[in-house]
Amino acid sequence: KQEVTQIPAALSVPEGENLVLNCSFTDSAIYNLQWFRQDPGKGLTSLLLIQSSQREQTSGRLNASLDKSSGRSTLYIAASQPGDSATYLCAVGNYGQNFVFGPGTRLSVLP
Amino acid sequence: NAGVTQTPKFRVLKTGQSMTLLCAQDMNHEYMYWYRQDPGMGLRLIHYSVGEGTTAKGEVPDGYNVSRLKKQNFLLGLESAAPSQTSVYFCASSYEPPKRYEQYFGPGTRLTVT
Repeated sequence: KQEVTQIPAALSVPEGENLVLNCSFTDSAIYNLQWFRQDPGKGLTSLLLIQSSQREQTSGRLNASLDKSSGRSTLYIAASQPGDSATYLCAVGNYGQNFVFGPGTRLSVLP
Repeated sequence: NAGVTQTPKFRVLKTGQSMTLLCAQDMNHEYMYWYRQDPGMGLRLIHYSVGEGTTAKGEVPDGYNVSRLKKQNFLLGLESAAPSQTSVYFCASSYEPPKRYEQYFGPGTRLTVT
């Protein structure tokens, strides 16, 4: 059974810092991995989707990498801003199975 | 184009009461999902549907029932609410494979059972 963990559970950084969020999964036979953003009291917004054949995806200041062999993905946020404050969740899709979500990392970017 | 909408946004129930959560999507998606989110945990799949008239159990189905009578709607029912069902419930929808993982989420329903 796929298990997904995220470290750290919470992170607080000053504005302007570059930061890395980590996602680990136990079953490397994945179809894809997705990073979501969740603002307080809101639903989930997809940030980046990495297919199993890809090593990374980029969108603006965000870069997500995938290393299937080690069961890891990282989300890199460059030049963080207070507007980046949110909870970031990763979700893993295995072939023919439903998404398994990690518990999330709560990010606070201080002005 | 409203995307995925959920009704109601908030609800407080007493133990033993019943209620139905409504999810609607206007993207003509085949697949629809109900998740619950508890503090410190990721989203867990309750039930899902791969098309009109179909339902299937997810990871945590006990205490819930679902129906998909129309393609655009997916209903989640609690027949006899328990305090353990206090949670935030999210609905999502997607196209069929290979796009089943490109899911669109509703804003959530915060349910408290006292």
